[in-house]
Amino acid sequence: DTGVSQNPRHKITKRGQNVTFRCDPISEHNRLYWYRQTLGQGPEFLTYFQNEAQLEKSRLLSDRFSAERPKGSFSTLEIQRTEQGDSAMYLCASSFQGDTGELFFGEGSRLTVL
Amino acid sequence: SQQGEEDPQALSIQEGENATMNCSYKTSINNLQWYRQNSGRGLVHLILIRSNEREKHSGRLRVTLDTSKKSSSLLITASRAADTASYFCATALNSGNTPLVFGKGTRLSVIA
Repeated sequence: DTGVSQNPRHKITKRGQNVTFRCDPISEHNRLYWYRQTLGQGPEFLTYFQNEAQLEKSRLLSDRFSAERPKGSFSTLEIQRTEQGDSAMYLCASSFQGDTGELFFGEGSRLTVL
Repeated sequence: SQQGEEDPQALSIQEGENATMNCSYKTSINNLQWYRQNSGRGLVHLILIRSNEREKHSGRLRVTLDTSKKSSSLLITASRAADTASYFCATALNSGNTPLVFGKGTRLSVIA
């Protein structure tokens, strides 16, 4: 296990469709984060998990967004009824509780909503 | 909302020159971190400085932190074309060090 893995790397969908992204964190990390990044901006926090518990959600996470981490390992981020404004890079990161707070990021999943 | 603001938004320099990027933030922090992002890729952690530290070095990187001014700077010395990337500062706002809040970034171009 060499790092955080995200798939798919690219997803093109039509408005109104549902999409799901998967993140596999570094195996010994118990914290997992989702961020969203649009062109020319920094990552914006969406939500994070400690083990299987979702501890915090941003106001950005509308009711069309749902994230799960059922067994405290991998996580999924689902977007229902996609809108063009959902087009962005969705970044996953992980860390180990008690560490300095350094995040290890995956390569991201780029979503394009037509 | 984004806590940090990097300055400048974009920076273009010649190879071998030094690059300085600044970050200002709004609230008290536990630590401040700098990340690098190549185009279309994920972020990579560069360096972390705690709120009780004033300066830190790592290879060609030098970070300073002024908590009275709520600002930090990242200096890259003897820049290389491979340093071309976006650089983000990120602040940890609470004692649990999560979640990190990122700025909008500085886009650095190093011309060979």
